[in-house]
Amino acid sequence: KQEVTQIPAALSVPEGENLVLNCSFTDSAIYNLQWFRQDPGKGLTSLLLIQSSQREQTSGRLNASLDKSSGRSTLYIAASQPGDSATYLCAVQGTYKYIFGTGTRLKVLA
Amino acid sequence: GAVVSQHPSRVICKSGTSVKIECRSLDFQATTMFWYRQFPKQSLMLMATSNEGSKATYEQGVEKDKFLINHASLTLSTLTVTSAHPEDSSFYICSARGWQGHYGYTFGSGTRLTVV
Repeated sequence: KQEVTQIPAALSVPEGENLVLNCSFTDSAIYNLQWFRQDPGKGLTSLLLIQSSQREQTSGRLNASLDKSSGRSTLYIAASQPGDSATYLCAVQGTYKYIFGTGTRLKVLA
Repeated sequence: GAVVSQHPSRVICKSGTSVKIECRSLDFQATTMFWYRQFPKQSLMLMATSNEGSKATYEQGVEKDKFLINHASLTLSTLTVTSAHPEDSSFYICSARGWQGHYGYTFGSGTRLTVV
């Protein structure tokens, strides 16, 4: 059974810092991994999707990497801003469904 | 891009009543719909999977008679929470899988259900 874990569970940083969010999964047989952002009381916003054959994806200040063999992914956020404050979820797609991680609650202080 | 419209975004209902949540794929055919539930400060947990025209498959621990899922068309799936109780208060979100130029997944915007 696939299990997805995110570390840290919560993170508070001053504005401008570069930071790394971690995601680990137990079953390396995945089709892709996706990082989402969720604002309080809101739905999901897809940030980056990495196919199983890819090593990383970049979008603006965000960079996500994938090491399928070790069951790990990282989301790198450069020059963090208060607007980045949200919960970040990673999710892995197995045969046909997504399994979500436990989330990292990020707060960027002005 | 592909869009899934989920309604209502928020609903408050009295204990014992039923609530229906709709998810519509606006520009693609959703062959499979996934329904998730999220309790406060927890991650999304898959409740059930439905394929168009078939009965839904429920995850372990999810009561199928309480959470009725209908996926009668390729563009509409509904989740009905029957005889709602305060412990059913949660954030419910759907995800549709279908051909979008590729087989992709698109998430709805979620429904915040509060049972009083």
